[in-house]
Amino acid sequence: DAGITQSPRHKVTETGTPVTLRCHQTENHRYMYWYRQDPGHGLRLIHYSYGVKDTDKGEVSDGYSVSRSKTEDFLLTLESATSSQTSVYFCAISEGGEGMNTEAFFGQGTRLTVV
Amino acid sequence: ILNVEQSPQSLHVQEGDSTNFTCSFPSSNFYALHWYRWETAKSPEALFVMTLNGDEKKKGRISATLNTKEGYSYLYIKGSQPEDSATYLCALDNAGNMLTFGGGTRLMVKP
Repeated sequence: DAGITQSPRHKVTETGTPVTLRCHQTENHRYMYWYRQDPGHGLRLIHYSYGVKDTDKGEVSDGYSVSRSKTEDFLLTLESATSSQTSVYFCAISEGGEGMNTEAFFGQGTRLTVV
Repeated sequence: ILNVEQSPQSLHVQEGDSTNFTCSFPSSNFYALHWYRWETAKSPEALFVMTLNGDEKKKGRISATLNTKEGYSYLYIKGSQPEDSATYLCALDNAGNMLTFGGGTRLMVKP
């Protein structure tokens, strides 16, 4: 199994509070991604990173920010959590490049509930 | 936003049946098409990454084909088993290393 650890695995938070989710990898892969999974929507990309301090927005980036200060860590922050951000969040990594190198490996997911 | 569509959304088959699902995607700026298998309470795991028009890949009883000119890929499962029950996701890489996922096909195989 690819070395990807998400923390926390479960969190309940109140509306309006900041929340940070952490993704840690031991594979030294260049690319890291945050997705959210909601019924009827599959996996939707929030933000991704293509290197230390290099990040870009995905399909559903509003209300989220990210940071990558080290190759192994990619943080997702909800500045002020809303109920619409209740979801399961998946981190993924890939080597990058072309072809098979773009295969993504996923973490175990973080279930976030905003009440 | 790319439109990656999968059909059907869900499928119930009997053990031993063969089945197939479809992934449709825009054919412009194609880099790669991925298939993932996602079991309940687990993480998605890659089945295939296909890059060339006409590609065919096989892993055990599961195989996939790719048509980049018309923008579709088929996933086939021969002789379905209960352990094949999962959601099957396809994902398009059309910008180099950024995947757009379809909504998935949920397969349930009855013993």
